[in-house]
Amino acid sequence: SQTIHQWPATLVQPVGSPLSLECTVEGTSNPNLYWYRQAAGRGLQLLFYSVGIGQISSEVPQNLSASRPQDRQFILSSKKLLLSDSGFYLCAWSVDRVKTFFGQGTRLTVV
Amino acid sequence: GENVEQHPSTLSVQEGDSAVIKCTYSDSASNYFPWYKQELGKRPQLIIDIRSNVGEKKDQRIAVTLNKTAKHFSLHITETQPEDSAVYFCAASMEAGSYQLTFGKGTKLSVIP
Repeated sequence: SQTIHQWPATLVQPVGSPLSLECTVEGTSNPNLYWYRQAAGRGLQLLFYSVGIGQISSEVPQNLSASRPQDRQFILSSKKLLLSDSGFYLCAWSVDRVKTFFGQGTRLTVV
Repeated sequence: GENVEQHPSTLSVQEGDSAVIKCTYSDSASNYFPWYKQELGKRPQLIIDIRSNVGEKKDQRIAVTLNKTAKHFSLHITETQPEDSAVYFCAASMEAGSYQLTFGKGTKLSVIP
């Protein structure tokens, strides 16, 4: 069966520091992969999506970037974090290009 | 692009009563409509979904209805239980292109024992 791994679960980073969040999917090939952000008490905002290796689409201009170095690996990065980058980051993948499942999430606090 | 509106933002019901959450979408090309349940501090979990070729779908105490003409869909939870308390999100997408979901802003459901 398919599983998605996302780490770390929680992260506290100072303003101006770099960020790297990693997500891997097991049990499937060529999935669509997504990064979402959820601010406290808010909805889900799509940040990036990828339909294949090296193919990244950005939904909103921001201080973040994404990469997909391998078929089942999706990385979210920042060179310099801002206070406004705090939130709950969720990696997701879709099966049959439709049903979407989320990873456990990373709660990022920028201080 | 797609826009999804969700109402109400908060909903309180007595245990055993029914709860209804409604969503509208803007893009008539959308044809896939999932619902997610998110408990505090956890990831959203897919609880039910419907495609545009179906008007209603049921799974035990939950059901989803879709009106393509009016571009709205609803989640119905019957015989609510305290463990149904969570934030519920609706979403819409097209089964083409990036297949990305556009989410509503969520409904916080509280089931009072």
